[in-house]
Amino acid sequence: KAGVTQTPRYLIKTRGQQVTLSCSPISGHRSVSWYQQTPGQGLQFLFEYFSETQRNKGNFPGRFSGRQFSNSRSEMNVSTLELGDSALYLCASRAERQGGYGYTFGSGTRLTVV
Amino acid sequence: SQKIEQNSEALNIQEGKTATLTCNYTNYSPAYLQWYRQDPGRGPVFLLLIRENEKEKRKERLKVTFDTTLKQSLFHITASQPADSATYLCALDPRVGLYNNNDMRFGAGTRLTVKP
Repeated sequence: KAGVTQTPRYLIKTRGQQVTLSCSPISGHRSVSWYQQTPGQGLQFLFEYFSETQRNKGNFPGRFSGRQFSNSRSEMNVSTLELGDSALYLCASRAERQGGYGYTFGSGTRLTVV
Repeated sequence: SQKIEQNSEALNIQEGKTATLTCNYTNYSPAYLQWYRQDPGRGPVFLLLIRENEKEKRKERLKVTFDTTLKQSLFHITASQPADSATYLCALDPRVGLYNNNDMRFGAGTRLTVKP
């Protein structure tokens, strides 16, 4: 079956702009989580969506937002981009939101803010 | 505060030897502990999951132990090969409801290099 698909794969934006990243989870997976990965901080949790509702949010400013659609596809948006937002943004899906299920990650979107 | 530590940033071993990676955590009571492999520029790939009431889990050349008293997990790769070279991440999968959230927390990872 198809894996988790993230688009675009690479993105270059200017400070102050906004960006929208997309994630299509594995068919049947209802839980979608987003992570930011940087060399210094590792994987940092952004948010989790389940059944179109945000269930959980990490310690990121309000400039980071997201949503989930009825088909479980998810988008995340970053407004007023800062240089420090340059990172690999990873989307992960799993069948259910309770523990005991491994995540399937996408290949990520590499965002560079200049 | 909650902390997850993986023993070292990098580990170099010779082909054929056993690689042992460590994951320690504090102020956390995960219901499950997971291990992932990540190659450069790619997303992590799920390898193994172990439950809090399990001591050991095996999958082919991989073995994971979980000691909730020591708050530690060990990840072993036996008969290591150059193709095993990657970054390995541990992740704590929380007990649903205990913290009013269930985000999976990841360690910073250990970069394993297996030399031929």
